[in-house]
Amino acid sequence: ETGVTQSPTHLIKTRGQQVTLRCSSQSGHNTVSWYQQALGQGPQFIFQYYREEENGRGNFPPRFSGLQFPNYSSELNVNALELDDSALYLCASSLVRTSGNNEQFFGPGTRLTVL
Amino acid sequence: GQQLNQSPQSMFIQEGEDVSMNCTSSSIFNTWLWYKQEPGEGPVLLIALYKAGELTSNGRLTAQFGITRKDSFLNISASIPSDVGIYFCAGQKIQGAQKLVFGQGTRLTINP
Repeated sequence: ETGVTQSPTHLIKTRGQQVTLRCSSQSGHNTVSWYQQALGQGPQFIFQYYREEENGRGNFPPRFSGLQFPNYSSELNVNALELDDSALYLCASSLVRTSGNNEQFFGPGTRLTVL
Repeated sequence: GQQLNQSPQSMFIQEGEDVSMNCTSSSIFNTWLWYKQEPGEGPVLLIALYKAGELTSNGRLTAQFGITRKDSFLNISASIPSDVGIYFCAGQKIQGAQKLVFGQGTRLTINP
């Protein structure tokens, strides 16, 4: 069974630039959630993708957008980068069931630094 | 954004000691989860709790889902050096995206 993978591992950008982060879900999973983890904090929910559509969004502006592909992999795009966007971006995959909770399993994250 | 209240923020203990940490919320959750995160890695799921009052063990780890569904605790018995890391609680609701709401984390340091 392949776990959740993310790329790249680290990224340095400057203010105003755009960035794309990638995530491959664990085999057998159909849902991807993205979280932002600032230094010294717990992860904060950005949004979730299920069946290639956004399925819930946290308190993040529209310049944070995403995609899910037919193979369930996903991208997180951030436009017009700000200094406060510097964080660890985590992807979590899960299997949505018709009933019951879905346990989320995390990838290693992408460390984004905005200068 | 919303976060759970997790305490303590940090713990410095001797190897072999037991550890206890807890998490409280003003909201009810259907599921409580405990994760561990080590430097440069993503959170790893340790225990998931699905019913109020449930007590679940995973090796030396024991966690309980509070009766009010607004709290949970995690105990680690006989700590060892590889227990070092940051422990996060997370609450999850059964509706909608079932997003995880995390605590601020408990940083565990162990003196050998």
